[in-house]
Amino acid sequence: AQSVTQLGSHVSVSEGALVLLRCNYSSSVPPYLFWYVQYPNQGLQLLLKYTSAATLVKGINGFEAEFKKSETSFHLTKPSAHMSDAAEYFCSSGGTSYGKLTFGQGTILTVHP
Amino acid sequence: DGGITQSPKYLFRKEGQNVTLSCEQNLNHDAMYWYRQDPGQGLRLIYYSQIVNDFQKGDIAEGYSVSREKKESFPLTVTSAQKNPTAFYLCASSMQGAARGTEAFFGQGTRLTVV
Repeated sequence: AQSVTQLGSHVSVSEGALVLLRCNYSSSVPPYLFWYVQYPNQGLQLLLKYTSAATLVKGINGFEAEFKKSETSFHLTKPSAHMSDAAEYFCSSGGTSYGKLTFGQGTILTVHP
Repeated sequence: DGGITQSPKYLFRKEGQNVTLSCEQNLNHDAMYWYRQDPGQGLRLIYYSQIVNDFQKGDIAEGYSVSREKKESFPLTVTSAQKNPTAFYLCASSMQGAARGTEAFFGQGTRLTVV
């Protein structure tokens, strides 16, 4: 069975600092991986996705993620945090069971002035 | 504009009542999903449907029911058997489902509160 683990339920950074949100996956086959962002009382919006074409994936709003098979990781980064990045972020996996997406527990990102 | 519409945005229910949450999409997607979101627990899959007139239970289907009579619509009924229904409910759809590497598109959610 697939599973996704997000390390750290809360991450706090200063504006302009590096953002690093961690995600590890567990899968017996190469997965499809996604990062979503959710603002309060809204749905989820796709930031980026990995589908085996390239290990470094660039997404919207300056975010990117690197797929590392040896570490079973898909961490999300952004070089310089902006106040508008404050939100909850979800890592998700799909691929081995048609129609079922698996989500991590979410990481709430807080950005301080 | 194409997208997923959930209604209502806020819903209040008395204990013992059934209530139906609406989800409509005009993206021509085959697969649709219902998730429940509780603080600190991420998203948990309630039901999903790969095609019209077919649906499958997710991880927390007890106390819920769905139908998929039309490609565009996937309503969720929260029955009185659901012991703790207060939550944020999210509907999503995707072209070919997660197995094909396509992402899911989400509605804006319905916040259900039992009073």
